[in-house]
Amino acid sequence: DAGVIQSPRHEVTEMGQEVTLRCKPISGHNSLFWYRQTMMRGLELLIYFNNNVPIDDSGMPEDRFSAKMPNASFSTLKIQPSEPRDSAVYFCASSLGGNNEKLFFGSGTQLSVL
Amino acid sequence: RKEVEQDPGPFNVPEGATVAFNCTYSNSASQSFFWYRQDCRKEPKLLMSVYSSGNEDGRFTAQLNRASQYISLLIRDSKLSDSATYLCVVNPNTDKLIFGTGTRLQVFP
Repeated sequence: DAGVIQSPRHEVTEMGQEVTLRCKPISGHNSLFWYRQTMMRGLELLIYFNNNVPIDDSGMPEDRFSAKMPNASFSTLKIQPSEPRDSAVYFCASSLGGNNEKLFFGSGTQLSVL
Repeated sequence: RKEVEQDPGPFNVPEGATVAFNCTYSNSASQSFFWYRQDCRKEPKLLMSVYSSGNEDGRFTAQLNRASQYISLLIRDSKLSDSATYLCVVNPNTDKLIFGTGTRLQVFP
């Protein structure tokens, strides 16, 4: 079975550019999560969706970050404009829903903003 | 105080050793607890859930102490392949999981 699929695997961009990260959750999963991981702060939840509806975006750092889930099989995380401090690994995860107790993570996108 | 705190390590142990990690959480209303494993440059994966009565899965034992608000992970007979970062995860009675920053384990021959 296909797991959570993220693209791109690596993204290198210059400060000020727009960055779009993509995620395809596991089919049948109702919840989708975007996390950011850095050495200093570990895994931080940015936003999560239940049935395509954003439930909690309190972890989104600032207005430069936005996320959408237009349908059950696709989500995007956009950073515009990007800054060097946005450099991190961004993970998408999905779960069946309910208590969201078992998360399945994608392989992540390594973002470097120069 | 962080919601979930772990000793970052690294814990360097020889093959065959027993090693234990602790993790403390701040929200006493937390209901669910987990250990995830993350290999270098890989995504986190669920290792095991932590039940109130404690649970064991092969060489791995997880325990919960609600009174002191900590959970533990014990690994017996360590293997080289156990080298990874172990993430303590807590559900503070909401829809989202809170991850600790992880404890790094390095098992050497």
